[in-house]
Amino acid sequence: EPEVTQTPSHQVTQMGQEVILRCVPISNHLYFYWYRQILGQKVEFLVSFYNNEISEKSEIFDDQFSVERPDGSNFTLKIRSTKLEDSAMYFCASTAYVGGEQYFGPGTRLTVT
Amino acid sequence: DAKTTQPPSMDCAEGRAANLPCNHSTISGNEYVYWYRQIHSQGPQYIIHGLKNNETNEMASLIITEDRKSSTLILPHATLRDTAVYYCIVRVVSSGSARQLTFGSGTQLTVLP
Repeated sequence: EPEVTQTPSHQVTQMGQEVILRCVPISNHLYFYWYRQILGQKVEFLVSFYNNEISEKSEIFDDQFSVERPDGSNFTLKIRSTKLEDSAMYFCASTAYVGGEQYFGPGTRLTVT
Repeated sequence: DAKTTQPPSMDCAEGRAANLPCNHSTISGNEYVYWYRQIHSQGPQYIIHGLKNNETNEMASLIITEDRKSSTLILPHATLRDTAVYYCIVRVVSSGSARQLTFGSGTQLTVLP
């Protein structure tokens, strides 16, 4: 069964450093998402991506964040200058069509020290 | 998207049916009801969704009341592996929009041996 994959599974970085989280969505999917979950809190939407551009973004997704689909398979989330409060699980998701079920990856645990 | 209300926690005996309620009294005509679950900080997993008719798949059944103001997710024979946080999400599905999921606090279902 096809699945969304994410790398790395755990990333430790120092405050102020740039990080890139990588995702490989399911191959025929067209809509892509990033969510995050701070430990013990709700899953929060960050950004959605369709047709090579951002479709929607939340208040969390400020100028420190960017997304890219550099080739036909990868979907990346970059945090330019990490802060302590960026420590969270980051989930990538994809779906084939609007309203379809979103398939989530296993997540990347980001720890900012 | 309409707000949903779910009990914070429920227990269920292994092998019995788990019935998880969700209240969405402000749902509008073009909003669907989705159910996802999250097992211990893994990525959320799609379970089922519906508009107004009852739905069934290999994982669960979704019963939506006639007025659409509430729904129940039924896991017919709960196993220990069904222990998870279950999220009821209501959202509009519109073409051309990637339309994110908005997660609440969900219901922590604990299946007891």
